[in-house]
Amino acid sequence: GQQVMQIPQYQHVQEGEDFTTYCNSSTTLSNIQWYKQRPGGHPVFLIQLVKSGEVKKQKRLTFQFGEAKKNSSLHITATQTTDVGTYFCAPNFGNEKLTFGTGTRLTIIP
Amino acid sequence: DVKVTQSSRYLVKRTGEKVFLECVQDMDHENMFWYRQDPGLGLRLIYFSYDVKMKEKGDIPEGYSVSREKKERFSLILESASTNQTSMYLCASSLRGGYSGNTIYFGEGSWLTVV
Repeated sequence: GQQVMQIPQYQHVQEGEDFTTYCNSSTTLSNIQWYKQRPGGHPVFLIQLVKSGEVKKQKRLTFQFGEAKKNSSLHITATQTTDVGTYFCAPNFGNEKLTFGTGTRLTIIP
Repeated sequence: DVKVTQSSRYLVKRTGEKVFLECVQDMDHENMFWYRQDPGLGLRLIYFSYDVKMKEKGDIPEGYSVSREKKERFSLILESASTNQTSMYLCASSLRGGYSGNTIYFGEGSWLTVV
């Protein structure tokens, strides 16, 4: 079936360190979205990547979509306490059904 | 702003009870979704609907059913609640996007405990 693996499941970093989460699919994606869920909150849309090799930036966040459109990453430079939360990728296989990766839970050590 | 409203934030139900979780969105979105979230398992899709009276099974539909009689409302039904259905349930909606995709907007979540 169409599945995606998101790694790592957990990441603990010192404040100021970088953080990366990866999403890998066995099949080609039409696009991929990324969401952030703060503790106690609900997931909130961050970005959508559509084109092969696409790179988008939002301040300290860099999102990449692989050339083969099978993998994606979210990189945070110099983490801050406000980055705490769980980051989910949401791959789209070309239909209305939207599933999510298992998420990467980021905790920051001050 | 898009608003997705879930009727109950916290519920406690007994095993075997029939449970209704209601969700309403105010942005005329075609698509609506029900997910459950459990630690270590992420967000798992239970059912989704891309139009009134239309429904499609997600990845974990067993033990659940849904109803979409009106475009703005999508209900999740647990016919006979069991303890393994204790979870947080998230409703979401989006415009129809298909291949191009579309942003999903989530409700605040409903914490269900089955005892």
